[in-house]
Amino acid sequence: GAVVSQHPSWVICKSGTSVKIECRSLDFQATTMFWYRQFPKQSLMLMATSNEGSKATYEQGVEKDKFLINHASLTLSTLTVTSAHPEDSSFYICSARDVGSNTGELFFGEGSRLTVL
Amino acid sequence: QKEVEQNSGPLSVPEGAIASLNCTYSDRGSQPFFWYRQYSGKSPELIMSIYSNGDKEDGRFTAQLNKASQYVSLLIRDSQPSDSATYLCAVNPEGAQKLVFGQGTRLTINP
Repeated sequence: GAVVSQHPSWVICKSGTSVKIECRSLDFQATTMFWYRQFPKQSLMLMATSNEGSKATYEQGVEKDKFLINHASLTLSTLTVTSAHPEDSSFYICSARDVGSNTGELFFGEGSRLTVL
Repeated sequence: QKEVEQNSGPLSVPEGAIASLNCTYSDRGSQPFFWYRQYSGKSPELIMSIYSNGDKEDGRFTAQLNKASQYVSLLIRDSQPSDSATYLCAVNPEGAQKLVFGQGTRLTINP
């Protein structure tokens, strides 16, 4: 299947700093990528849909100024958590669909575990 | 009503038995449907996708879809301890690109 790479896998930062997470589709093009967040023992919650060359679409309750999304190319989307606080500590997972595929499945990155001290 | 609902479990099944996981969804126009498996600390991996009413079999896994009743299920035959994980049901709401996930069912296979 298609490969989605996410970096970094782990990040620990101080409260008030910003953290950038990268999501790359390695062997396919993705006009749309999705950013999910998962708290312990909970399911994946969609934060936003990242659209190549245009603004991201945020889900209700997700602050667009706090979670900055940039999708500058067909293979790269970034999520920046600005002024991170301990409550932002979570498992962030990106996913993408292969535009050349008709299966509709999402391919997931490995996830990035953020810990804010 | 949540868009996608699953019994969160935990569900315990003896090794070798059949594990049955269920999921209901609210948007009648949803299409297609997916089952993902997620091990602790890892990201989800796709097990099965299903588009049409009826059963779809892949090895030890069978997905069942009933659009009239708006449920989709996953059967795991000859359960193995390595099947112990959280199973996530996901649906594609009508007209949307995103996948909406259920809360997941935690499955434990007991040796």
